[in-house]
Amino acid sequence: AQSVTQLDSQVPVFEEAPVELRCNYSSSVSVYLFWYVQYPNQGLQLLLKYLSGSTLVKGINGFEAEFNKSQTSFHLRKPSVHISDTAEYFCAVSEEGSGTYKYIFGTGTRLKVLA
Amino acid sequence: DGGITQSPKYLFRKEGQNVTLSCEQNLNHDAMYWYRQDPGQGLRLIYYSQIVNDFQKGDIAEGYSVSREKKESFPLTVTSAQKNPTAFYLCASSSAGMYEQYFGPGTRLTVT
Repeated sequence: AQSVTQLDSQVPVFEEAPVELRCNYSSSVSVYLFWYVQYPNQGLQLLLKYLSGSTLVKGINGFEAEFNKSQTSFHLRKPSVHISDTAEYFCAVSEEGSGTYKYIFGTGTRLKVLA
Repeated sequence: DGGITQSPKYLFRKEGQNVTLSCEQNLNHDAMYWYRQDPGQGLRLIYYSQIVNDFQKGDIAEGYSVSREKKESFPLTVTSAQKNPTAFYLCASSSAGMYEQYFGPGTRLTVT
């Protein structure tokens, strides 16, 4: 069965420092991978996605993620964070070939950027 | 502007009452989804629909019902059988062949 693990529930980081938010998944089939951001009391916005091809994926707002099949990971990185990046970040997985496009979400990581 | 609308933003109900949450999209997407979000638990799938007049249960369907009579609309009813209905509810949609889901702004339901 699919599962998604976001190991860090909260990550505090100073402004202009780099950050990495971790995501690991388990699945018996190939997967598609997604990162979303959620600001307080709002819906989710897609940051980036991995469907196939290059394992390094660039997204909006300066974020990038790397798909590592052997380690079943899809960690999100940003080289220099801003106060405005303070939000909750969710990793999601969808099974290739399932035909349903259903997601399994991780429990989220709260990024707090400190001045 | 294309997008997903959910109304109302905040909803208050007394225990024992059924309540219906609205979700409308003008993206011409085939599939629609309802999620429930609780602090520290991420998003959990309640129901999803891939075509009009068809829908499937997700992981936590008990106490909820849906309908899909039009492509644009996927309302969710929270029934009195749902034991803990207070939560943030998110609707999403996706297009066949495109794997990303697009989310509405959410409805925060409080039942007392």
